[in-house]
Amino acid sequence: QLQLQESGPGLVKPSETLSLTCTVTGASISRSTYYWGWIRQPPGKGLEWIGCIYYSGDTYYNPSLKSRVTMSVDTSKNQFSLNLTSVTAADTAVYYCARSGKYWNWFDPWGQGTLVTVSS
Amino acid sequence: QSALTQPASVSGSPGQSITISCTGTTSDVGGYNYVSWYQQYPGKAPKLMIYDVSNRPSGVSNRFSGSKSGNTASLTISGLQAEDEADYYCSSYTSSSTLVFGGGTKLTVL
Repeated sequence: QLQLQESGPGLVKPSETLSLTCTVTGASISRSTYYWGWIRQPPGKGLEWIGCIYYSGDTYYNPSLKSRVTMSVDTSKNQFSLNLTSVTAADTAVYYCARSGKYWNWFDPWGQGTLVTVSS
Repeated sequence: QSALTQPASVSGSPGQSITISCTGTTSDVGGYNYVSWYQQYPGKAPKLMIYDVSNRPSGVSNRFSGSKSGNTASLTISGLQAEDEADYYCSSYTSSSTLVFGGGTKLTVL
């Protein structure tokens, strides 16, 4: 059964870099035609697409975050990662990773999510 | 890119049918059959309910159905049950090769 699990610091200081990793179990990232994505949700607010990555390294980012976002994949560890630089309080959110279809036309399954708070 | 427009809330009584709309533009909803719907309970991760406008993943009740007309997609839940009370989000692929979500709709079962 495919499962995804986010991991990383729960607290990040303003202006620093938020780094999260998503570990995939039950399927190989590199042996599929799927994409892998990050989505976030500020407390009490809606979902926001951050971006998606293919195992080859091809990336697609939300234009509003593109200047601060980098995604990468480590096929040897079956993980993909998110880096978000120069964070502010507005980046406080639950961050989810999920498997995606080729046109981000679906996300399934999702990780349980991890809350990242930006505060000094 | 602007968020897709959903009603903030809808409500219905058990057994009734409700419809949640999701309005975009020709650059997203209207231009592609890549609309999805997600159900989210408080404190939980979203769950895929409908993809590619009207397809149901395995295990999702056939009480959930999706459709699209022009720039507006819709999620219909028939035979409303108490367990359907949740937040619902739509999403669409866009002409910029990005994804946009709707603002979310809170469904209350009266």
